[in-house]
Amino acid sequence: DTGVSQDPRHKITKRGQNVTFRCDPISEHNRLYWYRQTLGQGPEFLTYFQNEAQLEKSRLLSDRFSAERPKGSFSTLEIQRTEQGDSAMYLCASSFSLEEETQYFGPGTRLLVL
Amino acid sequence: GESVGLHLPTLSVQEGDNSIINCAYSNSASDYFIWYKQESGKGPQFIIDIRSNMDKRQGQRVTVLLNKTVKHLSLQIAATQPGDSAVYFCAETRKTSYDKVIFGPGTSLSVIP
Repeated sequence: DTGVSQDPRHKITKRGQNVTFRCDPISEHNRLYWYRQTLGQGPEFLTYFQNEAQLEKSRLLSDRFSAERPKGSFSTLEIQRTEQGDSAMYLCASSFSLEEETQYFGPGTRLLVL
Repeated sequence: GESVGLHLPTLSVQEGDNSIINCAYSNSASDYFIWYKQESGKGPQFIIDIRSNMDKRQGQRVTVLLNKTVKHLSLQIAATQPGDSAVYFCAETRKTSYDKVIFGPGTSLSVIP
């Protein structure tokens, strides 16, 4: 499968715990995006990388959230001290850096904070 | 404020009929629009896109229409099949930020066999 992959697909955690998600983009894509999606809503932009540089962060990305893409390939999204309101689907997308390029999404990681 | 939204949250159609899903946007600076299909438990899947210098684009069984005068976007699905049942999102990117895709709330399409 040469599409965007995410791991894990599901995560259940207790409030206050830290969680980390991984995204592997399509290999030739140099842009990588993180979105959050709650039930019945469209995905909301969180942050994006061009290669290893994090170029934009949404106001939705609180201090408890951190994303990295150390080698410009895979990315991790960490949530510290999780809260019940963090329960959502976390989606990763990638694209090739051209004007108005299409973003291709992974299957997402569904997080449930108890 | 700026938003991308859908007129109908749910749509039920008979198998074989054509489906039309509508979307309104509020920012005239938006210049690139995308339709995504999302099945339960999966990430959004790209269907078709259109740039603001076009008013119509066709794909396989799908057509996107853009009316910039009234800031309206539609997705037409011909001969709707049960496999088309999903939530459909319109999305936009804007001239000031090609990288940030703004999604609408979604329309749930249900195909009746």
